[in-house]
Amino acid sequence: DIQMTQSPSSLSASVGDRVTITCRASQSVDSWLAWYQQRPGKAPKLLIHKASILESGVPSRFSGSGSGTEFTLTISSLQPDDFATYHCQHYDTYPWTFGQGTKVEIK
Amino acid sequence: EVLLVESGGGLVQPGGSLRLSCTASGFIFGSFPMNWVRQAPGGGLQWVSYISSTATNIIRYADSVKGRFTVSRDNDKNSLFLQMDSLRAGDTAVYYCARESTHSFDIWGQGTMVTVSS
Repeated sequence: DIQMTQSPSSLSASVGDRVTITCRASQSVDSWLAWYQQRPGKAPKLLIHKASILESGVPSRFSGSGSGTEFTLTISSLQPDDFATYHCQHYDTYPWTFGQGTKVEIK
Repeated sequence: EVLLVESGGGLVQPGGSLRLSCTASGFIFGSFPMNWVRQAPGGGLQWVSYISSTATNIIRYADSVKGRFTVSRDNDKNSLFLQMDSLRAGDTAVYYCARESTHSFDIWGQGTMVTVSS
C-alpha cells in the first residue's frame, strides 16, 4: 500500500498568516492527489483534486502543487473559517489511502 | 441540492452484523461510482469500499474488511448499502458514503456512527 505522510501533524497560526502543509507519498502517485478540509464533527469537504485543481466554490486563497511523491497545500491568507483539519489522499492505485491529517489551530 | 444521507449505524457486539444505507438525491445516482470511507474516533480517514457506476460492475475492498463487508447499490432507489458482518472492535468508526468524481470524493454524507463493543 502507498503510505501518505503529512507534516506537520498540527500547527498554530493567526488570521492572515500564510500556511503550508506538506504531504509525502511512499512512492510516486503522479498527480493523483486530493486535499480535503474537515471541520470538527463534520464530513470532509473536497478542496483540490489532481494535485492543483481547485474545486468549484473553493476560495482562491487555497492552492495545491506538486507531483510524484511530494505535494503541498497552501492557504495564502488564513481566515477564521479555515481553522480545521486537512487531509491528503492519493488515488493512484488501490487501496486509496489518506494522510493522518494536519490540524490548523488558532494561535 | 446534491445530498447523501447515511443511516443504520448503532451499537453492536463483536461478531455481530449491521447494514448501513446511504440515500442520494439531487443527482443521477446511477452515473457515479460510490465509496464508503470510515474514521475511527480521533483518527484519520480510511477508504473502505468502492462500487462502480452501473456500466462496469466493479467492486473493491480494503484488505481489513475483505470477506466481512459487502457493498451493493440499488440505482432505482438511489441507494448504496454496506453489509458488515463479523464486526470487530477495530471497525468502530463514523462511516461516510462518498460520491466519486474524477477519482476523488466530491460529495460526502454526514456520517453514521458504528460502535462495536460488548
